[in-house]
Amino acid sequence: KAGVTQTPRYLIKTRGQQVTLSCSPISGHRSVSWYQQTPGQGLQFLFEYFSETQRNKGNFPGRFSGRQFSNSRSEMNVSTLELGDSALYLCASSLDRGQPQHFGDGTRLSIL
Amino acid sequence: AQRVTQPEKLLSVFKGAPVELKCNYSYSGSPELFWYVQYSRQRLQLLLRHISRESIKGFTADLNKGETSFHLKKPFAQEEDSAMYYCALSGFNTDKLIFGTGTRLQVFP
Repeated sequence: KAGVTQTPRYLIKTRGQQVTLSCSPISGHRSVSWYQQTPGQGLQFLFEYFSETQRNKGNFPGRFSGRQFSNSRSEMNVSTLELGDSALYLCASSLDRGQPQHFGDGTRLSIL
Repeated sequence: AQRVTQPEKLLSVFKGAPVELKCNYSYSGSPELFWYVQYSRQRLQLLLRHISRESIKGFTADLNKGETSFHLKKPFAQEEDSAMYYCALSGFNTDKLIFGTGTRLQVFP
């Protein structure tokens, strides 16, 4: 079974731009969550999606948004990028809510 | 407030020595506790969850609700245990994980 796939692996953007990150969960997994990892703040929860509905949202500004499609694939979008958005963005999927989560390799976003 | 505290950033031991990685939590309600591990150049992966009450790779963790702790233990460390370890909690029927800041375990030969 293929693991969680995140694309792209690396991204370089400039301030003010927007970006879309993609996550393909393990086949059959219906729950997808996103996390931001930085050296200063560690791993912080962004969103949780299940059945195309956002079930939980972390303490991030409205510039951060996401969605989940009917095939459980998920995207997250960050608009008006700031230098502080430079981070590793991790996606995790699980068979159902409350079940063990499997993480992807992440997308490393660098803002110049 | 919901919080996970891992007081040690780095823990260094020699091979064969016992290991204890500390984790304390703050949560109103009954959380589910996890240990995740990230080996060098690998993705974050689940090591243990408290409801499973199992031993993985020789590691065990016991939930102590009185002390609000979920320390990770192994009686004899191996070099291949060197990795970053994260303690995390979640609430009921949610995948939202609150992570600690992590402890890097170095096992010297």
